[in-house]
Amino acid sequence: GAGVSQSPSNKVTEKGKDVELRCDPISGHTALYWYRQRLGQGLEFLIYFQGNSAPDKSGLPSDRFSAERTGESVSTLTIQRTQQEDSAVYLCASSLASAANTDTQYFGPGTRLTVL
Amino acid sequence: GDSVTQMEGPVTLSEEAFLTINCTYTATGYPSLFWYVQYPGEGLQLLLKATKADDKGSNKGFEATYRKETTSFHLEKGSVQVSDSAVYFCALSSPDGNNRLAFGKGNQVVVIP
Repeated sequence: GAGVSQSPSNKVTEKGKDVELRCDPISGHTALYWYRQRLGQGLEFLIYFQGNSAPDKSGLPSDRFSAERTGESVSTLTIQRTQQEDSAVYLCASSLASAANTDTQYFGPGTRLTVL
Repeated sequence: GDSVTQMEGPVTLSEEAFLTINCTYTATGYPSLFWYVQYPGEGLQLLLKATKADDKGSNKGFEATYRKETTSFHLEKGSVQVSDSAVYFCALSSPDGNNRLAFGKGNQVVVIP
């Protein structure tokens, strides 16, 4: 079946502009995660959605970052007033459920964001 | 907080050589441990996992054993191929952390024919 998809695959923007990144999780996956991968670094957790529960926003680096999810489907990550340090690959992952920490997360191909 | 440490630097080795990539972790409770791999031009994919102490995860000739006493999850393969060239990430998922993954910085592995 279809995996996690993300769009756009690449985004170049000017400093100060807002950007919106999209993630389509695997159908039936209730848990959805956003991560960021800066050059030469491991992945950093940003935000987590599980069903209709309040999202875990503890990884968002500043109030310029926000995310939404419609039910158990599409999620969008919005970065307002982008800065050069926001340049990174933004990865989305989904898993069947998060009742246990044994679940495998399936990753999308990522959106490469470049802020000029 | 939870963290994962991988050995520094890229790994370059010849085909059929033995590969070890070290991974140690710090976590509360009993985390699950994962190795993810990113092949050139592809997305991140699960290589193997272990969910409790002394479990061994294995896939594609790779193995890693969950060692609680040394808080380690080292990745090994007995005979690497050129197609194993990729970036390898060790990660943990803590039951106290909404199951989000904490990743190491990754190791670039280059296998030379």
